[in-house]
Amino acid sequence: QQQVKQSPQSLIVQKGGIPIINCAYENTAFDYFPWYQQFPGKGPALLIAIRPDVSEKKEGRFTISFNKSAKQFSLHIMDSQPGDSATYFCAGMGFGNEKLTFGTGTRLTIIP
Amino acid sequence: NAGVMQNPRHLVRRRGQEARLRCSPMKGHSHVYWYRQLPEEGLKFMVYLQKENIIDESGMPKERFSAEFPKEGPSILRIQQVVRGDSAAYFCASSPRRHEKLFFGSGTQLSVL
Repeated sequence: QQQVKQSPQSLIVQKGGIPIINCAYENTAFDYFPWYQQFPGKGPALLIAIRPDVSEKKEGRFTISFNKSAKQFSLHIMDSQPGDSATYFCAGMGFGNEKLTFGTGTRLTIIP
Repeated sequence: NAGVMQNPRHLVRRRGQEARLRCSPMKGHSHVYWYRQLPEEGLKFMVYLQKENIIDESGMPKERFSAEFPKEGPSILRIQQVVRGDSAAYFCASSPRRHEKLFFGSGTQLSVL
């Protein structure tokens, strides 16, 4: 009940393209879904987060789409740049289980 | 406002020694989380603490590992009698309240020889 499944494991996209990373969760008590970006040798940095009362959230070039009935959410990166090359993690958290459960990560490479 | 501070950044220990990892949360944050990350893997939850209390330690190995977050001072993750399998990056995160966004430190890379 605690898993968050993330795909793909790795992704290569040309500059300007729109990489899409998908996550699915099992725990229906989850009500907070953040995305973290991690560069090699660094800690994860919060990118954007969503709660299930909305179906979409945009912050700059990053968009989360959320499908509550399917228990799925995804990250879209518009106009991707080589500087976006990093590992991206989705996660979920819920009341009564207030620790972030992370997906396994997606290594994104943006090629010029 | 300084971020989450972890030290040391790198720690080398021989098998059987003790490792102490320190985490100072962001100012105003009283909730601390510890995660472990193996190479090419995701972050695995270890323990969640609030000042002087362990809230959730369901991810902590039963033996050799302990954590504390005293009233004064940093949170400490302590690993006794380290083994090679303990080699990993250990990340600390803090939040101001329960069920709030977590901010991560830069981690401590533990290498066991």
